Amino acid sequence: GQQVMQIPQYQHVQEGEDFTTYCNSSTTLSNIQWYKQRPGGHPVFLIQLVKSGEVKKQKRLTFQFGEAKKNSSLHITATQTTDVGTYFCAGNNAGNMLTFGGGTRLMVKP
Amino acid sequence: GAVVSQHPSRVICKSGTSVKIECRSLDFQATTMFWYRQFPKKSLMLMATSNEGSKATYEQGVEKDKFLINHASLTLSTLTVTSAHPEDSSFYICSATRTSGRYEQYFGPGTRLTVT
Repeated sequence: GQQVMQIPQYQHVQEGEDFTTYCNSSTTLSNIQWYKQRPGGHPVFLIQLVKSGEVKKQKRLTFQFGEAKKNSSLHITATQTTDVGTYFCAGNNAGNMLTFGGGTRLMVKP
Repeated sequence: GAVVSQHPSRVICKSGTSVKIECRSLDFQATTMFWYRQFPKKSLMLMATSNEGSKATYEQGVEKDKFLINHASLTLSTLTVTSAHPEDSSFYICSATRTSGRYEQYFGPGTRLTVT
């Protein structure tokens, strides 16, 4: 079956440093979604990428979908303490069923 | 809009009893609802997909008779953990997608189940 892997599992950064999490799928995806889960909270949708090579930005967050539609990345510029949480990618290869990656837990030191 | 609620938020039950968890879309109609299980500091594991008015589709390894799912209306799905055991203790989260064709999943706040 489809597998979605994310690295790193954990990342500690100093406030103001940049952060990147990478997502790789074992199969070609129709689209990829990113979610953020704050400690003690539930996942919240951030964005969906559909096109090969697509890049989308949300303020300090930059999302990228690979040319082969098998990998994606989320980059945060100048992290803030409010960025703390676990970032999940979720691959969709048919219908609306998602396969979630393992998540990257971001910790930001003030 | 797009709020999903879950009830209860926490439940403690004894081994052998059954527990029902409700998932409601409060301000939209949900064609499809999903049930996930999440272990501490781990990812979300999809248990089953439920469509209103039809039988749920379970993922491999998930026991249908143990995790009963009912999706009676476009705003309500229930998960019943039958004959619960301590290993069923976990965080159960539901999510829903709109009927309007939008793609993102809206997650409920989750239910923490502890089986003693």
